[in-house]
Amino acid sequence: DTGVSQDPRHKITKRGQNVTFRCDPISEHNRLYWYRQTLGQGPEFLTYFQNEAQLEKSRLLSDRFSAERPKGSFSTLEIQRTEQGDSAMYLCASSPRASGIETQYFGPGTRLLVL
Amino acid sequence: GENVEQHPSTLSVQEGDSAVIKCTYSDSASNYFPWYKQELGKGPQLIIDIRSNVGEKKDQRIAVTLNKTAKHFSLHITETQPEDSAVYFCAASRIGTASKLTFGTGTRLQVTL
Repeated sequence: DTGVSQDPRHKITKRGQNVTFRCDPISEHNRLYWYRQTLGQGPEFLTYFQNEAQLEKSRLLSDRFSAERPKGSFSTLEIQRTEQGDSAMYLCASSPRASGIETQYFGPGTRLLVL
Repeated sequence: GENVEQHPSTLSVQEGDSAVIKCTYSDSASNYFPWYKQELGKGPQLIIDIRSNVGEKKDQRIAVTLNKTAKHFSLHITETQPEDSAVYFCAASRIGTASKLTFGTGTRLQVTL
């Protein structure tokens, strides 16, 4: 079990460009979450997948953001037409299939800087 | 929706002393309360969690207490060591639904020699 992995770890982009991040959850974890963390704050929920179905989206997730989880394995988060306010750490977490076990295991995050 | 408040925002203790971090939550339906430790440049790491059917849980030097009536929970670290220095986050969620976590704003713990 190698843990949750995220790629890239760092991304610098210019305002207006599109960026895509990838998350590989722990094997056999059917739940996958995306959070955003700005400096000095706790992570904030963005969206959640159970298998390949996206079941909930936060109002923080504007129409410039889209997330997918094809085949219920890895997930991608795309931000279109990036803005300086999108600069943050984007965290992915996964939790196991077993009912009642809610532990979320976080990846190392992707730090985005929009210039 | 759920709102979690965390205090203090910074905490400095001497090595060997105890540290206590407190959180309050607003949604009485919340029933799962994890604590995460985050080191610089890394993702949050779970250190301990508690469910609402339990009032206290301990794991070596770390303990968490929960008061459902008052809607607050606390993290206790005893015999602090320099490697305990990090930012600690409390969180709350409801088991059985999306289980999305609502986090506090974090406590920066500094353990001095």
